[in-house]
Amino acid sequence: ILNVEQSPQSLHVQEGDSTNFTCSFPSSNFYALHWYRWETAKSPEALFVMTLNGDEKKKGRISATLNTKEGYSYLYIKGSQPEDSATYLCASISGGYQKVTFGTGTKLQVIP
Amino acid sequence: DAGVTQSPTHLIKTRGQHVTLRCSPISGHKSVSWYQQVLGQGPQFIFQYYEKEERGRGNFPDRFSARQFPNYSSELNVNALLLGDSALYLCASSYNRAGSDEQYFGPGTRLTVT
Repeated sequence: ILNVEQSPQSLHVQEGDSTNFTCSFPSSNFYALHWYRWETAKSPEALFVMTLNGDEKKKGRISATLNTKEGYSYLYIKGSQPEDSATYLCASISGGYQKVTFGTGTKLQVIP
Repeated sequence: DAGVTQSPTHLIKTRGQHVTLRCSPISGHKSVSWYQQVLGQGPQFIFQYYEKEERGRGNFPDRFSARQFPNYSSELNVNALLLGDSALYLCASSYNRAGSDEQYFGPGTRLTVT
């Protein structure tokens, strides 16, 4: 993997469903992986900063895992709500902030 | 406390002109990063400044420059504007320069080049 790739590009789920997205990133020279939520007409909001292989972080119904050896991170949302509708971005930091690369995001729409 | 602020909110410029965008970080934050976001793509990293020095640079031409002032606010300058420079420019601040720090984003400046 040379770039940061996110899948799927977009997702429609029913309210109450659980869902997950993937972020793949270059594993060489890894420093940190950031997850953001970006709602329309707002600024990107930091969700998690992950640095250690095997890291798991949780904030309410949202959690994330990190595998630095194979270069991927999963973001999980349990019991999706309409207010979770947003674009979820991941960003790979390598070389001690010498290189910051964002993925193109996963656009989530939660249908009431 | 005020969040990250950016000015102006919107801007229309003509090809060949120069533009200056401004960013004020959260009080106490010493690092400012600049990003360009084109519709349909993720933000592209332009610069990181920490303690008034450039600490990181993305793949942008020399037409793009920035600086950070003693109060940690920052300016992004773009010379000889091209149509392709039309984008949302985001500024983000963090306490220090480490990638392990959370970044806080401003609302962005929407630049349109005609």
